[in-house]
Amino acid sequence: AQSVSQHNHHVILSEAASLELGCNYSYGGTVNLFWYVQYPGQHLQLLLKYFSGDPLVKGIKGFEAEFIKSKFSFNLRKPSVQWSDTAEYFCAVNSEAGTALIFGKGTTLSVSS
Amino acid sequence: DAGVTQSPTHLIKTRGQQVTLRCSPISGHKSVSWYQQVLGQGPQFIFQYYEKEERGRGNFPDRFSARQFPNYSSELNVNALLLGDSALYLCASSLAGGADTQYFGPGTRLTVL
Repeated sequence: AQSVSQHNHHVILSEAASLELGCNYSYGGTVNLFWYVQYPGQHLQLLLKYFSGDPLVKGIKGFEAEFIKSKFSFNLRKPSVQWSDTAEYFCAVNSEAGTALIFGKGTTLSVSS
Repeated sequence: DAGVTQSPTHLIKTRGQQVTLRCSPISGHKSVSWYQQVLGQGPQFIFQYYEKEERGRGNFPDRFSARQFPNYSSELNVNALLLGDSALYLCASSLAGGADTQYFGPGTRLTVL
């Protein structure tokens, strides 16, 4: 069965520090990849997505992710985090059938000012 | 434009009861998907509907059922509630289902006592 693995359960950073959250998926075929963010008290929002083309994808709020097919990875990065980036981050991949999103367990990011 | 809306926001039921959750997709979106999010986990896929037809089903028992109406809104029904059904139920809409980008609503928090 397809799966998504997020390596970090809880990440704690100071403002202005750089961020990288790991995400690996198990499916070897064509994939669509997503990062969603859930700010405290808010619903899941799309941060960025990769369908095809340039493997370096830029999203909202200065986030970017790189798709590395050979490593089955789609890591999320931000050069300088802000206190407002405190949230839970979910990596997801479309299922083989294409209908479902398969999510990782999420990474909680805490940014101290 | 309004995003995905869900009702009710919170719900408390007792074991053995039945519950119906409602979702209205983004205007113009014809597909609705349902997910269950247990505390500390990523969302898990339950169903996807497109043009009133079930497109996909996750690994959930037959106690879970759904339908989509001509106006593309959807209901999720859960019968014979168990304590383990306590979760946040998320609805997501997309233009045409399949691998299209899914946009999530705020969810319905179901507590089963």
